[in-house]
Amino acid sequence: GENVEQHPSTLSVQEGDSAVIKCTYSDSASNYFPWYKQELGKGPQLIIDIRSNVGEKKDQRIAVTLNKTAKHFSLHITETQPEDSAVYFCAASFLRGFKTIFGAGTRLFVKA
Amino acid sequence: DGGITQSPKYLFRKEGQNVTLSCEQNLNHDAMYWYRQDPGQGLRLIYYSQIVNDFQKGDIAEGYSVSREKKESFPLTVTSAQKNPTAFYLCASTDTGDGDSPLHFGNGTRLTVT
Repeated sequence: GENVEQHPSTLSVQEGDSAVIKCTYSDSASNYFPWYKQELGKGPQLIIDIRSNVGEKKDQRIAVTLNKTAKHFSLHITETQPEDSAVYFCAASFLRGFKTIFGAGTRLFVKA
Repeated sequence: DGGITQSPKYLFRKEGQNVTLSCEQNLNHDAMYWYRQDPGQGLRLIYYSQIVNDFQKGDIAEGYSVSREKKESFPLTVTSAQKNPTAFYLCASTDTGDGDSPLHFGNGTRLTVT
C-alpha cells in the first residue's frame, strides 16, 4: 500500500550546524510533498512544501529537494537554532486525492 | 485570527463511555479531517469531510463516528467500540479537497481512557 518512510527518527545537532531529514514514498502518483513542524503540545504547522514539477525550493534557512525518479525528498535546515527543536513530519499526497500519507516523524534536538 | 479550535485540550474518560471531541474552524475551508497521533508514529486519518452533510472513512475509522452539519464544525465521537482510544487527536482543514492543499491543524485534544 501507500507508504512514506522517514529517517532518521531522532537527530541531534549543535547550534549552527545543518540538519537533513530524508523521506521516500511509494505511490508514484504523489505530486505534493509538504513538511510540517510540530512543537510540544501543539498541532503540526506547514513549514515548506514542494510540487512534483519542481526539483528544489528554498525559504530562508529551509530547503526541500525532490527526486521523483528515485521517489526521494529531503528537508535541509541550515544554521540551526534552538527554536528549530521540534518533531518534523514529511508527507505525500496527490491532486484529487484526499489522503495525505505521513512519515513517522523526526525529533530534532538543537543543542546550544 | 483565523484558525482551528479544538476543545478540550485534555479529556479523561472511563472505559465503556462515549466521548465527543469538538473541532471548529473559521477559515471558511470546505474540507475537514480528523487524525490520530500515537507516539513514534505518523498521523493516521480517521475521517474526512469534503462538504457539509458528507463524510468519508479514513484508514482507521472503526470505533469512531463524525457529523458535518455545519461548514465550520466537525465533531468526532470516540465510541466504546474503539479498542485503544487513548491518543492525541488532531483536527485539520484544507481550503479545497484537492490533494495539493496544505493542512491547517488545530492544537489537538489528548484523550486518556482508563
